[in-house]
Amino acid sequence: KAGVTQTPRYLIKTRGQQVTLSCSPISGHRSVSWYQQTPGQGLQFLFEYFSETQRNKGNFPGRFSGRQFSNSRSEMNVSTLELGDSALYLCASSLDSGANEKLFFGSGTQLSVL
Amino acid sequence: GNSVTQMEGPVTLSEEAFLTINCTYTATGYPSLFWYVQYPGEGLQLLLKATKADDKGSNKGFEATYRKETTSFHLEKGSVQVSDSAVYFCALSQNTGFQKLVFGTGTRLLVSP
Repeated sequence: KAGVTQTPRYLIKTRGQQVTLSCSPISGHRSVSWYQQTPGQGLQFLFEYFSETQRNKGNFPGRFSGRQFSNSRSEMNVSTLELGDSALYLCASSLDSGANEKLFFGSGTQLSVL
Repeated sequence: GNSVTQMEGPVTLSEEAFLTINCTYTATGYPSLFWYVQYPGEGLQLLLKATKADDKGSNKGFEATYRKETTSFHLEKGSVQVSDSAVYFCALSQNTGFQKLVFGTGTRLLVSP
């Protein structure tokens, strides 16, 4: 069974641009969550999608958005990029939505904003 | 708010040494507690979890016990291997029905032969 796939693996953008990251969950998983990992702030929750609906959102500005498609694939978008958005963006999927679900993480997309 | 505090790393050990990585948490109610491990260049993998007080999670020789009285979930392993070198994250999830992990800052473990 294929794991969680994130594309692209690396991205370089400049300030002010926008970016879209993609995540394909494990087959059969209906929940997708996104996390931002930086050396300074560590791992922070961005949002969770389940059955195409955003169930929960972290403390990030509105420039960060996401969506989930009917096949459970998810995308996140960051508009008007800032230097501080440079981070590893991790996607995680689980069978169902819930506090005790086992999350399966992808290898992440490393975003560098210049 | 909810938070997780882990000991600073890196933790450097020789192979077969005993490992303890401290983790304490602050949360309302009764959160679920997790340890995740991140190997170089990879995403996180669930190592073990405990969902209620006094539960012990265990996997691959690692174990941790949910201690509500001390709000702790320390990770232990009796004999580490070089292959255990990785970054270990303690995390909690509030049992509100929503899936949102709050992570500690991570502890890097380096095991030498």
